[in-house]
Amino acid sequence: NAGVTQTPKFQVLKTGQSMTLQCAQDMNHNSMYWYRQDPGMGLRLIYYSASEGTTDKGEVPNGYNVSRLNKREFSLRLESAAPSQTSVYFCASRAGGPYNEQFFGPGTRLTVL
Amino acid sequence: AQSVTQLDSQVPVFEEAPVELRCNYSSSVSVYLFWYVQYPNQGLQLLLKYLSGSTLVKGINGFEAEFNKSQTSFHLRKPSVHISDTAEYFCAVSDEPGGTSYGKLTFGQGTILTVHP
Repeated sequence: NAGVTQTPKFQVLKTGQSMTLQCAQDMNHNSMYWYRQDPGMGLRLIYYSASEGTTDKGEVPNGYNVSRLNKREFSLRLESAAPSQTSVYFCASRAGGPYNEQFFGPGTRLTVL
Repeated sequence: AQSVTQLDSQVPVFEEAPVELRCNYSSSVSVYLFWYVQYPNQGLQLLLKYLSGSTLVKGINGFEAEFNKSQTSFHLRKPSVHISDTAEYFCAVSDEPGGTSYGKLTFGQGTILTVHP
């Protein structure tokens, strides 16, 4: 059981470049989430997917798009990267039911120059 | 809307001393509260959660937290810390499960606990 996996672990982009962060979970969870972590700001929700086939905006969605490819995979795309998107990105997943906690991946450290 | 405030950004302590990390929340509905720990260069792991019932919740690694509805607090405590407890700790809140939030979490800003020998 790998849990939640993310690729890549590190990435450096130039302003204006695009890239996709990949996330996969092998726990058969319904819901998946993308967060960004910035110093002193905790984690902020970018997008989430309550179930396969649905996605919704979180607190800070601007500049990002997501795709729930299937039940296992949830990708985050930066179409035109900006320095303000330099951050650590975490993917999480959660089983159905009201009382289940989120499980987090190891993170992707992204630097936009 | 929910919000979470962690009152201390950094807490330095000596090994074997007790520690309390403070968390206050605001919400207009029933809440479910969580503490996560993040070790350096890793993802977040769940320490403990409060859903209902007893207000004193015990978690992993000897940590416990007390839910206080009147004070809207959920402080994390450990009676004797180890060097290995050095990490960043996040308090988080989720609203009632019957709503449409699908378990979305609102996080506090984090508290860096540093345990010195």
